[in-house]
Amino acid sequence: GAGVSQSPSNKVTEKGKDVELRCDPISGHTALYWYRQSLGQGLEFLIYFQGNSAPDKSGLPSDRFSAERTGGSVSTLTIQRTQQEDSAVYLCASSRLAGRGYNEQFFGPGTRLTVL
Amino acid sequence: AQKVTQAQTEISVVEKEDVTLDCVYETRDTTYYLFWYKQPPSGELVFLIRRNSFDEQNEISGRYSWNFQKSTSSFNFTITASQVVDSAVYFCALSEVQTGANNLFFGTGTRLTVIP
Repeated sequence: GAGVSQSPSNKVTEKGKDVELRCDPISGHTALYWYRQSLGQGLEFLIYFQGNSAPDKSGLPSDRFSAERTGGSVSTLTIQRTQQEDSAVYLCASSRLAGRGYNEQFFGPGTRLTVL
Repeated sequence: AQKVTQAQTEISVVEKEDVTLDCVYETRDTTYYLFWYKQPPSGELVFLIRRNSFDEQNEISGRYSWNFQKSTSSFNFTITASQVVDSAVYFCALSEVQTGANNLFFGTGTRLTVIP
């Protein structure tokens, strides 16, 4: 059984450009999460998907950030007009059970984004 | 509001010493889950343990043990006879049930260095 995979592993972009980060969750996991890990902020929740329910976007830092999940599996996190403060490691996680709070999450290796 | 505090930013121990990593949390929920994750130098977060708020029984897994005390809102993690491979950043996290939050709230992490 493969774990959570993310691509690319590293992304360097210029300020103002758009980037897309991809996450493939563990097969059969219904919940998918995006987090951001940066030096100054630690690990921050960004967005959560559960089945066909509306995503919980409460952690997205600005409207430049968006995410979608197609077919209940693969997810893409898009950052438009990137800024230097967007530089961070973006982590994706998935979990099997959808129960509130019962979210033993399994993390991918992350995408390191550097905005020049 | 929920909060997880890991007061120890960095700890260094000599191999074979025991070490305890502290975690203190705040929540208004009466039902919640607590987690520990390990982040080795490779960067991928590895799930170690989940504990629900109704289960205060301590747990031991090999050289790892966890002490959950609701009275002091603490969920401490002890590594016995530490090894170099234990060197990593360790994160404590909280997930609430009643507020409906589906994400993990992480502490800022404790960097453990085991010196051979």
